[in-house]
Amino acid sequence: DTGVSQDPRHKITKRGQNVTFRCDPISEHNRLYWYRQTLGQGPEFLTYFQNEAQLEKSRLLSDRFSAERPKGSFSTLEIQRTEQGDSAMYLCASSPTEATSGRYDTDTQYFGPGTRLTVL
Amino acid sequence: AQSVTQLDSQVPVFEEAPVELRCNYSSSVSVYLFWYVQYPNQGLQLLLKYLSGSTLVESINGFEAEFNKSQTSFHLRKPSVHISDTAEYFCAVSQYSGGGADGLTFGKGTHLIIQP
Repeated sequence: DTGVSQDPRHKITKRGQNVTFRCDPISEHNRLYWYRQTLGQGPEFLTYFQNEAQLEKSRLLSDRFSAERPKGSFSTLEIQRTEQGDSAMYLCASSPTEATSGRYDTDTQYFGPGTRLTVL
Repeated sequence: AQSVTQLDSQVPVFEEAPVELRCNYSSSVSVYLFWYVQYPNQGLQLLLKYLSGSTLVESINGFEAEFNKSQTSFHLRKPSVHISDTAEYFCAVSQYSGGGADGLTFGKGTHLIIQP
Protein backbone atom coordinates (compact mmCIF):
# COMPACT_ATOMS: atom_id res chain seq x y z
CA ASP A 1 0.00 0.00 0.00
CA THR A 2 1.34 3.42 -0.93
CA GLY A 3 -0.44 5.35 1.80
CA VAL A 4 -2.82 8.27 1.40
CA SER A 5 -2.33 10.13 -1.86
CA GLN A 6 -3.53 13.58 -2.86
CA ASP A 7 -3.76 15.24 -6.23
CA PRO A 8 -2.64 17.78 -7.26
CA ARG A 9 0.21 18.54 -4.87
CA HIS A 10 0.17 22.20 -5.81
CA LYS A 11 -2.53 24.40 -7.30
CA ILE A 12 -2.33 28.07 -8.23
CA THR A 13 -5.56 29.77 -9.20
CA LYS A 14 -7.01 33.20 -9.59
CA ARG A 15 -9.56 34.61 -7.21
CA GLY A 16 -13.08 33.66 -8.20
CA GLN A 17 -12.15 30.39 -9.91
CA ASN A 18 -13.34 26.96 -8.76
CA VAL A 19 -10.86 24.28 -7.73
CA THR A 20 -11.21 20.58 -6.94
CA PHE A 21 -8.82 18.36 -5.01
CA ARG A 22 -8.75 14.60 -4.87
CA CYS A 23 -7.80 12.27 -2.02
CA ASP A 24 -7.24 8.52 -2.30
CA PRO A 25 -7.22 6.90 1.14
CA ILE A 26 -5.45 3.74 2.18
CA SER A 27 -7.50 1.04 0.51
CA GLU A 28 -8.88 -0.72 3.58
CA HIS A 29 -9.77 2.51 5.41
CA ASN A 30 -13.43 3.47 5.52
CA ARG A 31 -13.01 6.81 7.30
CA LEU A 32 -11.67 9.79 5.38
CA TYR A 33 -10.96 13.25 6.81
CA TRP A 34 -10.24 16.69 5.35
CA TYR A 35 -8.24 19.40 7.15
CA ARG A 36 -6.95 22.84 6.24
CA GLN A 37 -3.59 24.16 7.46
CA THR A 38 -2.63 27.80 7.07
CA LEU A 39 0.90 29.10 7.55
CA GLY A 40 2.03 28.96 11.15
CA GLN A 41 -1.09 27.18 12.35
CA GLY A 42 -2.07 23.64 13.16
CA PRO A 43 -4.42 21.73 10.89
CA GLU A 44 -8.10 22.61 11.27
CA PHE A 45 -10.75 19.94 10.86
CA LEU A 46 -13.17 20.45 7.96
CA THR A 47 -15.18 17.27 7.53
CA TYR A 48 -15.09 13.49 7.57
CA PHE A 49 -16.77 10.53 5.90
CA GLN A 50 -17.46 6.99 6.93
CA ASN A 51 -17.83 5.13 3.65
CA GLU A 52 -20.15 7.35 1.56
CA ALA A 53 -21.76 9.14 4.50
CA GLN A 54 -20.53 12.57 5.53
CA LEU A 55 -20.72 12.30 9.32
CA GLU A 56 -19.49 15.68 10.49
CA LYS A 57 -18.85 19.13 9.05
CA SER A 58 -17.00 21.96 10.74
CA ARG A 59 -18.37 25.49 10.76
CA LEU A 60 -15.22 26.32 8.77
CA LEU A 61 -16.79 24.52 5.82
CA SER A 62 -18.64 27.47 4.30
CA ASP A 63 -21.21 27.23 1.52
CA ARG A 64 -18.40 27.60 -1.02
CA PHE A 65 -16.88 24.31 0.11
CA SER A 66 -18.29 20.90 -0.74
CA ALA A 67 -16.85 17.46 -0.18
CA GLU A 68 -18.01 14.18 -1.65
CA ARG A 69 -17.14 10.52 -1.40
CA PRO A 70 -19.67 8.95 -3.76
CA LYS A 71 -18.46 5.36 -3.81
CA GLY A 72 -16.84 5.25 -0.41
CA SER A 73 -13.35 5.19 -1.88
CA PHE A 74 -11.72 8.41 -3.08
CA SER A 75 -13.00 11.83 -2.05
CA THR A 76 -13.08 15.25 -3.68
CA LEU A 77 -13.05 18.67 -2.05
CA GLU A 78 -14.32 21.52 -4.19
CA ILE A 79 -13.96 25.20 -3.43
CA GLN A 80 -16.15 27.53 -5.46
CA ARG A 81 -15.39 31.20 -6.10
CA THR A 82 -12.01 31.00 -4.39
CA GLU A 83 -10.82 33.85 -2.20
CA GLN A 84 -7.29 34.79 -1.17
CA GLY A 85 -8.12 33.60 2.35
CA ASP A 86 -8.55 30.09 0.97
CA SER A 87 -4.80 29.86 0.36
CA ALA A 88 -3.64 26.99 2.55
CA MET A 89 -2.47 23.41 2.62
CA TYR A 90 -5.41 21.00 2.35
CA LEU A 91 -4.72 17.72 4.10
CA CYS A 92 -6.48 14.41 3.78
CA ALA A 93 -6.27 11.54 6.26
CA SER A 94 -7.84 8.11 6.55
CA SER A 95 -8.37 5.49 9.23
CA PRO A 96 -10.03 2.10 9.55
CA THR A 97 -12.89 1.25 11.86
CA GLU A 98 -11.89 -2.38 11.93
CA ALA A 99 -8.40 -3.68 12.54
CA THR A 100 -8.56 -5.96 9.50
CA SER A 101 -4.93 -6.30 8.59
CA GLY A 102 -3.32 -5.34 11.86
CA ARG A 103 -1.17 -2.81 10.08
CA TYR A 104 -3.31 0.19 10.95
CA ASP A 105 -4.87 1.30 14.22
CA THR A 106 -8.54 2.32 14.33
CA ASP A 107 -7.74 5.22 16.66
CA THR A 108 -5.10 6.75 14.40
CA GLN A 109 -5.43 8.98 11.35
CA TYR A 110 -2.89 8.52 8.56
CA PHE A 111 -2.15 11.68 6.61
CA GLY A 112 -1.39 12.33 2.97
CA PRO A 113 1.19 14.85 1.73
CA GLY A 114 -1.38 17.60 1.21
CA THR A 115 -2.41 19.91 -1.64
CA ARG A 116 -1.01 23.43 -1.42
CA LEU A 117 -3.48 25.99 -2.80
CA THR A 118 -2.40 29.50 -3.71
CA VAL A 119 -5.12 31.97 -4.67
CA LEU A 120 -3.81 35.04 -6.49
CA ALA B 1 -16.07 21.63 22.22
CA GLN B 2 -12.38 20.89 22.54
CA SER B 3 -9.30 23.05 22.38
CA VAL B 4 -5.56 22.48 22.51
CA THR B 5 -2.95 24.99 23.63
CA GLN B 6 0.72 24.74 22.78
CA LEU B 7 2.22 27.69 24.59
CA ASP B 8 5.61 27.61 22.87
CA SER B 9 5.63 28.37 19.15
CA GLN B 10 9.37 27.76 18.96
CA VAL B 11 11.80 25.88 21.21
CA PRO B 12 15.54 26.11 20.51
CA VAL B 13 17.69 23.54 22.27
CA PHE B 14 21.26 22.31 21.94
CA GLU B 15 21.97 18.85 20.57
CA GLU B 16 22.02 16.14 23.26
CA ALA B 17 20.16 18.37 25.70
CA PRO B 18 16.74 17.43 27.12
CA VAL B 19 13.57 19.05 25.84
CA GLU B 20 9.94 19.40 26.89
CA LEU B 21 7.18 20.57 24.57
CA ARG B 22 4.09 21.63 26.45
CA CYS B 23 0.50 20.79 25.59
CA ASN B 24 -2.67 21.59 27.50
CA TYR B 25 -6.16 20.75 26.41
CA SER B 26 -9.74 21.41 27.43
CA SER B 27 -12.74 19.23 26.78
CA SER B 28 -16.10 18.52 28.37
CA VAL B 29 -15.80 14.82 27.55
CA SER B 30 -13.09 12.18 27.63
CA VAL B 31 -10.68 12.51 24.75
CA TYR B 32 -7.77 10.70 23.22
CA LEU B 33 -4.46 12.54 22.98
CA PHE B 34 -1.89 12.51 20.21
CA TRP B 35 1.42 14.02 19.24
CA TYR B 36 2.05 14.31 15.50
CA VAL B 37 5.36 15.37 13.93
CA GLN B 38 5.93 17.13 10.64
CA TYR B 39 9.49 16.96 9.34
CA PRO B 40 10.56 19.53 6.73
CA ASN B 41 8.79 18.93 3.42
CA GLN B 42 7.00 15.83 4.73
CA GLY B 43 3.45 14.99 5.80
CA LEU B 44 2.15 14.60 9.33
CA GLN B 45 3.20 11.42 11.10
CA LEU B 46 1.93 10.02 14.37
CA LEU B 47 4.60 10.17 17.08
CA LEU B 48 2.68 8.73 20.03
CA LYS B 49 -0.79 8.55 21.52
CA TYR B 50 -2.65 8.09 24.77
CA LEU B 51 -5.94 6.23 24.74
CA SER B 52 -6.21 4.64 28.18
CA GLY B 53 -4.16 2.68 30.70
CA SER B 54 -0.65 3.74 31.64
CA THR B 55 -0.39 7.52 31.60
CA LEU B 56 3.19 7.40 30.29
CA VAL B 57 3.48 6.56 26.61
CA GLU B 58 6.62 6.23 24.53
CA SER B 59 7.61 6.44 20.89
CA ILE B 60 10.17 4.31 19.08
CA ASN B 61 12.60 7.21 18.69
CA GLY B 62 12.97 8.11 22.37
CA PHE B 63 10.14 10.58 22.94
CA GLU B 64 7.68 10.12 25.77
CA ALA B 65 4.55 11.92 26.92
CA GLU B 66 2.62 11.78 30.15
CA PHE B 67 -1.12 12.25 30.43
CA ASN B 68 -2.04 14.30 33.49
CA LYS B 69 -5.80 14.44 33.89
CA SER B 70 -5.84 16.87 36.81
CA GLN B 71 -3.69 19.36 34.93
CA THR B 72 -5.25 18.51 31.55
CA SER B 73 -1.78 18.25 30.08
CA PHE B 74 0.06 15.92 27.73
CA HIS B 75 3.63 17.26 27.61
CA LEU B 76 6.17 15.70 25.27
CA ARG B 77 9.72 15.04 26.48
CA LYS B 78 12.99 13.65 25.22
CA PRO B 79 16.07 13.26 27.43
CA SER B 80 18.60 13.88 24.63
CA VAL B 81 17.72 15.42 21.27
CA HIS B 82 19.43 14.97 17.91
CA ILE B 83 19.68 17.17 14.85
CA SER B 84 17.22 14.83 13.13
CA ASP B 85 14.52 15.79 15.66
CA THR B 86 14.23 19.23 14.06
CA ALA B 87 10.56 19.42 13.06
CA GLU B 88 7.17 20.89 13.84
CA TYR B 89 5.34 19.06 16.64
CA PHE B 90 1.57 19.15 16.96
CA CYS B 91 -0.51 18.08 19.94
CA ALA B 92 -4.05 16.94 19.12
CA VAL B 93 -7.18 15.54 20.76
CA SER B 94 -10.18 13.65 19.49
CA GLN B 95 -13.20 11.72 20.62
CA TYR B 96 -13.76 8.19 19.51
CA SER B 97 -17.11 6.98 18.22
CA GLY B 98 -18.60 4.31 16.02
CA GLY B 99 -15.44 2.24 16.13
CA GLY B 100 -13.27 4.98 14.71
CA ALA B 101 -11.60 8.29 15.40
CA ASP B 102 -13.54 11.55 15.09
CA GLY B 103 -11.97 14.70 13.70
CA LEU B 104 -8.81 15.88 15.43
CA THR B 105 -8.46 19.24 17.14
CA PHE B 106 -4.84 20.39 16.82
CA GLY B 107 -2.74 22.92 18.66
CA LYS B 108 -0.84 25.56 16.72
CA GLY B 109 2.36 23.56 16.80
CA THR B 110 5.82 23.95 18.31
CA HIS B 111 8.85 24.28 16.11
CA LEU B 112 11.72 22.35 17.70
CA ILE B 113 15.05 23.78 16.59
CA ILE B 114 18.15 21.75 17.42
CA GLN B 115 21.35 23.75 17.62
CA PRO B 116 24.70 21.97 17.17
